[in-house]
Formats: sequence, structure tokens, C-alpha cells
Amino acid sequence: DAGVTQSPTHLIKTRGQHVTLRCSPISGHKSVSWYQQVLGQGPQFIFQYYEKEERGRGNFPDRFSARQFPNYSSELNVNALLLGDSALYLCASSLESGTGWYEQYFGPGTRLTVT
Amino acid sequence: RKEVEQDPGPFNVPEGATVAFNCTYSNSASQSFFWYRQDCRKEPKLLMSVYSSGNEDGRFTAQLNRASQYISLLIRDSKLSDSATYLCVVKMGTNAGKSTFGDGTTLTVKP
Repeated sequence: DAGVTQSPTHLIKTRGQHVTLRCSPISGHKSVSWYQQVLGQGPQFIFQYYEKEERGRGNFPDRFSARQFPNYSSELNVNALLLGDSALYLCASSLESGTGWYEQYFGPGTRLTVT
Repeated sequence: RKEVEQDPGPFNVPEGATVAFNCTYSNSASQSFFWYRQDCRKEPKLLMSVYSSGNEDGRFTAQLNRASQYISLLIRDSKLSDSATYLCVVKMGTNAGKSTFGDGTTLTVKP
């Protein structure tokens, strides 16, 4: 079975531009989460979606938004890019949402560079 | 103070050594716990879940101490291939969709 896929793998944008990152979860998984990872730090939670509804939101500005589609794939949008948005953006899928022992599986990430 | 804290290391150990990592969390309402491993410039991969009773998978043993709010990972008989960054992950009772990662502990196993 295919794992979590993300596109694109690399992206270079300039300050002020907009970016859309895409994620397809493992088949059968209904929950998708987005994380930002800067060098030397652990992934920081941005959003979780389950059955097309937002289930969790991290401490990120409103420039960050996301949505989940009926096929459970997801998009992360970032507006008005700043240099500090340069990071690895990771998507993770899991069977369910909530505080249970639902293991997350990560995609390879999109490496965004803002110049 | 960070919600999840790990000693960043690096831990440099010879092959065959036993090494232990600790992770502390600040929210007593935390409900589920995991260890992930991340190789350089790759995505995190699930290593093991950490149950209240503790669990073992081959050379890896994870323990949870709710009273002291820490999680540990023990690696026995270290292999060169164990070299990676180990990330502690905690899911809180509130904001059910959120997983909080520590910044990781870097392990280098040397021949």
C-alpha cells in the first residue's frame, strides 16, 4: 500500500507570495495533520482535520489555513509568505482523531524556501 | 517552558552500548505518548507507543511515569543504524487533535 504522499517535494517562493501544499493520506485513514519543522526543532502542530472538519489548531497566524476533501486528501495554504515560513512541512495521517492511541504516519514533507 | 522537553544531546556511544533518553511533559492531562525516530532530512517514523504498563520491542524499551510526568526510551546493544534523532510525542487531553513533539535527542553510534 502507498504511504502518505505530499507534493511538491521542494518549493522556492518569494516574500509576500502564496503557497499551496498537498497531501494524500494512507488509504483508509480519515485524519490528516499538518506540521511545520524548522531546522533543529521538532515538528510544530499546525492543524488536524478529520472527516473534513477541523479538529485541532496550533499556535499559527491566520495566514495559515487548510482544508480536507471528501477523499480525505488535504491542502495547506499559506498567504503573505515571510522568510520565517521557510521550513519542512509535514503531513501525517491516522485512522482516527482524538486522544487515543492513534498512530500517525508521516509523508516525506515539502521543503519550502522563502527568499 | 516547553510543553515537552528532551535533552538534545548529542549522545555519542560505541556499538553495543546501552543508552537511555528521557522526556518530560508539563500537562498532567496528557493521555497518549509515543517515540518517533527521524533520520537526517527525512520524515519522522513511529518507533513505538508508550503505554502505562511500559512496552518492549526487541532492543527498545519504553516506560511511562505519570506521577513524575516523564517518558523514557532505552536502547540496548546499540547498532550503527540506530544513529538518528529520537522525538518524544505527547497528545493532550484538550485540543484532541494536537500532538506535541519535543525537539529531539540526537544519537550517534560509533564503531
